[in-house]
Amino acid sequence: IVLTQSPGSLSLSPGERATLSCRASQSVKSRSLAWYQQKGGQAPRLLIYGASGRATDIPDRFSAGGSGTEFTLTISRLEPEDSAVYYCHQYGSSLLTFGGGTKVEIK
Amino acid sequence: QPQLHQSGPGLVKPSETLALTCTVSGDSISSSSYFWGWIRQPPAKGLEWIGSVYYTGSTNYNPSLKSRVTMFVDTSKKQFSLRLNSVTAADTAVYYCARLTPHYISGLHYFDYWSQGTLVTVSS
Repeated sequence: IVLTQSPGSLSLSPGERATLSCRASQSVKSRSLAWYQQKGGQAPRLLIYGASGRATDIPDRFSAGGSGTEFTLTISRLEPEDSAVYYCHQYGSSLLTFGGGTKVEIK
Repeated sequence: QPQLHQSGPGLVKPSETLALTCTVSGDSISSSSYFWGWIRQPPAKGLEWIGSVYYTGSTNYNPSLKSRVTMFVDTSKKQFSLRLNSVTAADTAVYYCARLTPHYISGLHYFDYWSQGTLVTVSS
């Protein structure tokens, strides 16, 4: 399953809302879609699993949803530390795949 | 929470074998719940799943790398390992090991805990 993320990058001000999209080339089984945040030089950090479940210690300004082939990650009230690349990942098929990432810059 | 610590050389010559080991602490590598996986990230690029291994030794590899990859588990040492043979410059990447945990409803596994990663450069 090929995951296409859009936009490739976005630049927003603190307090604004960011909406990131992840589109799958075929339906993702059982909403098996996760989102990760990766800051420069660090390992990815799990944000969301099961399309909408927030991982441990993830602030509630991160929310996500979707099903089938369309998924969204929303970051409300952006903070400077949210500057990162965000990846979606599907684990519903035996061949695990990642999207190409969306870079979020905080002005 | 589990911690994953990688070890292995940061420089490998072309045509040779890349070998990395991931040591798990704070968790049981023999748990029937988890899989253990490897992911890589070429410089300034995205993430690519290499493969996953279960504590029994059962494996699942990315078809694009399957002919060159071997993964195995040593439960006595709480380690799982990656071997990638016949490497080229295209295999230069940061390599991560990670735990895959099951979703409580679907039972399908996603990456939850990751190592810090090791840059492996393929160069003569």
